[in-house]
Amino acid sequence: SQTIHQWPATLVQPVGSPLSLECTVEGTSNPNLYWYRQAAGRGLQLLFYSVGIGQISSEVPQNLSASRPQDRQFILSSKKLLLSDSGFYLCAWSVNPVGSGAFFGQGTRLTVV
Amino acid sequence: SQQGEEDPQALSIQEGENATMNCSYKTSINNLQWYRQNSGRGLVHLILIRSNEREKHSGRLRVTLDTSKKSSSLLITASRAADTASYFCATPPPNSGYALNFGKGTSLLVTP
Repeated sequence: SQTIHQWPATLVQPVGSPLSLECTVEGTSNPNLYWYRQAAGRGLQLLFYSVGIGQISSEVPQNLSASRPQDRQFILSSKKLLLSDSGFYLCAWSVNPVGSGAFFGQGTRLTVV
Repeated sequence: SQQGEEDPQALSIQEGENATMNCSYKTSINNLQWYRQNSGRGLVHLILIRSNEREKHSGRLRVTLDTSKKSSSLLITASRAADTASYFCATPPPNSGYALNFGKGTSLLVTP
């Protein structure tokens, strides 16, 4: 069966520090991978998606970047965090293309102080 | 870009009652999906309804789709306290099909 792992669960980082959130998927090949951000009490904002190794599409211009060094690994990064980067970050995968639903990790609560 | 909009934003009911949430969307779709999110957790896929379907059931869940009105509803029958969560509708973009667009969700509270 397929599983998705996302870590860490919580993170408190100072403004200006770097960020690296990692997500890995097991039990499937060539998945679509996604990073979403959810502000408190809000819906999900799509940040990045990837349809293959090294292929990254950015939905929102911002302080963040994403990389896919391996088929089932998706990394969200920042060189210098801003206060506005605080939020709940969710990684997800789906079959390519999405037609049967997406499967989410448990999320990372990022607080930038 | 946001596609679906859920209504109401918040809903409070007692155990045993039915809960109905609505979703409206803007463009044509191939399918519409409903997800559930417990507080502080990831989203869980509940049910998918295709554009050529009008109604779908899964346990205590009933989803309807009206493509002429660009709307969908999620009905949870005989609700339980454990159904307390946020519920989101999501649609794949009509052309790319790569990423789901989510609404802001309906926050459901079921009290014993």
